[in-house]
Amino acid sequence: EADIYQTPRYLVIGTGKKITLECSQTMGHDKMYWYQQDPGMELHLIHYSYGVNSTEKGDLSSESTVSRIRTEHFPLTLESARPSHTSQYLCASSDTGGNQPQHFGDGTRLSIL
Amino acid sequence: SQELEQSPQSLIVQEGKNLTINCTSSKTLYGLYWYKQKYGEGLIFLMMLQKGGEEKSHEKITAKLDEKKQQSSLHITASQPSHAGIYLCGADYAGNNRKLIWGLGTSLAVNP
Repeated sequence: EADIYQTPRYLVIGTGKKITLECSQTMGHDKMYWYQQDPGMELHLIHYSYGVNSTEKGDLSSESTVSRIRTEHFPLTLESARPSHTSQYLCASSDTGGNQPQHFGDGTRLSIL
Repeated sequence: SQELEQSPQSLIVQEGKNLTINCTSSKTLYGLYWYKQKYGEGLIFLMMLQKGGEEKSHEKITAKLDEKKQQSSLHITASQPSHAGIYLCGADYAGNNRKLIWGLGTSLAVNP
């Protein structure tokens, strides 16, 4: 099993709140990813990081932001949550180089009321 | 995604039966990843295929990539309830593992 952890697992919160979803990995991987997954839909990459101080937006437009100050930590922040942000958020990491599989956390299921 | 299609969308089998899940790409694959997802949880990496004709096995699960590198099949032999879940394929078209295109998944139920 991969050592990548997401907290919280579940979060139900009201509209307008600031939210931070935590993701940490202990494998020393340089690459980290945030995906959004909705029922019946494919995984969509929303943020990507090559390493410390390097972040890029993914293919799916997202109002969230990320930071990568430490190799092991890749938090995702929503400044003002809205019901449209309700979804499952998955964090992953992979080693440098081609053909390295992404290892996933258990996800955070976010519900905005 | 239109680029990557999985079939069937869902599957219910009796314990002990064999089954096959397909992942078909509209263009040549650089690499193809298979994952399993338990409902409401993260993805567990199963196998990665890169070379045309390549075949890999893990316990009772075998995955193949066809010679033209546009289709992969995942075969489970003598299915067990522990095999139940959603199987996803992810396609690497660029060779850098950054942008994987994902299938919609195949939901597998195994009845005891």
